[in-house]
Parts: sequence; C-alpha cells; structure tokens
Amino acid sequence: DAKTTQPTSMDCAEGRAANLPCNHSTISGNEYVYWYRQIHSQGPQYIIHGLKNNETNEMASLIITEDRKSSTLILPHATLRDTAVYYCIVRVGNQFYFGTGTSLTVIP
Amino acid sequence: EPEVTQTPSHQVTQMGQEVILRCVPISNHLYFYWYRQILGQKVEFLVSFYNNEISEKSEIFDDQFSVERPDGSNFTLKIRSTKLEDSAMYFCASTKEGTSGAQQFFGPGTRLTVL
Repeated sequence: DAKTTQPTSMDCAEGRAANLPCNHSTISGNEYVYWYRQIHSQGPQYIIHGLKNNETNEMASLIITEDRKSSTLILPHATLRDTAVYYCIVRVGNQFYFGTGTSLTVIP
Repeated sequence: EPEVTQTPSHQVTQMGQEVILRCVPISNHLYFYWYRQILGQKVEFLVSFYNNEISEKSEIFDDQFSVERPDGSNFTLKIRSTKLEDSAMYFCASTKEGTSGAQQFFGPGTRLTVL
C-alpha cells in the first residue's frame, strides 16, 4: 500500500513555480521521502529526497514540515519539459511504495 | 553519467512461454530491484536482491518469477510461464548502498506484451 497521498493532477503556467504537495502522515522517524517523476512510460527519474531538513538541488527544492507528516516539491521555474507524473515516495526497507502520483501539466 | 540499462526494450511473447528480461545495473552498485507497471497503473515493487539473494519480495513475486545475477554485470528477471496479466512495463533499479537514504536509479524499462 502506498504510504503517501497526492492530488491527482495539477496545472502550472510555464515559467512559474510548481508546488506539488504530499501527505505522508504515517512516516516513521528514519524513513526518507523521495520524489521521482515519470514522463510517459519511461523509467522513473530521481528528483530529490530528504529526511528532516529542507533540501535543494539543481532540479528542485523539497520542503518537509517539522512534524514530517507532509512535504512539498517545488520546481522553481516550470518548463514544458516538466510535464510528467510526479511521485512522492516513502522508502520502507528496500521497497519504494509508489502511489498514483500527481500528473503535472505545464501550460504555455 | 552512469545509468541502468535494460534489454530488450520491447518483448512480445505467447502466453505460457518463458521470458527473461535483462538489466545491467550501475557498475559499483550492490542492491538491485525489479518493479513493474501495468498500463495506466502505478509502479509496483516486485523484488530486491543483494549478495546473490532475494532480500525482499512482494506478493506479486510468486513462484513463476525468479531473479538471478548470472555474472558480474547482468541482473535478470525470469517469468516461467507468462500470463496475459503479466503484460506490463518492467523496470530494473539499483542502488550503491542499502540504507534508506540511498537513491534508486531506474532503467528505461522493458515493455512485455503477452499475447
């Protein structure tokens, strides 16, 4: 069973920030939150992950609430190529539990 | 940048036939995984493999499935007697470490079509 809840779909204007929320209220203290995305049926592509602190890399920022029950992935300047399904994943042991993800559409 | 590769990209087989899906994980990675994604559905974990043993498997990974690392580079998934419902994308992944903070690198997938 997926350990995360995400909105089914979102739209974002090109050039604007895309903020994708995720709830993971049952997360345990040592479980990381990962974000991947999938374009069409390609292999999932890693974006970012974190445990407690906010994280930033060249692709995105990850904001994790203090109680760790939710997080937000931020794509600072969305482009058309960012149109994809975004998965918020909690890793349990060796398993990645993929939910149904958020289908993000970047609109010109 | 190193990447996980998978062959073939598309496999078509008849129901009841055996198929072997191949993966070449990133060379210094030690943990290997198979996932599947039925068309229009979510990505599902099948199995994890470390030190020549299965470390975890899901309910989907029944007796018709097996995994093997036949040499130092390949990691294979065998489906003994394929069923129509095995039609899916199959993704291989690998990680360098087994810790929960280790990023999984996914391959491009093999599309299996069972007729």
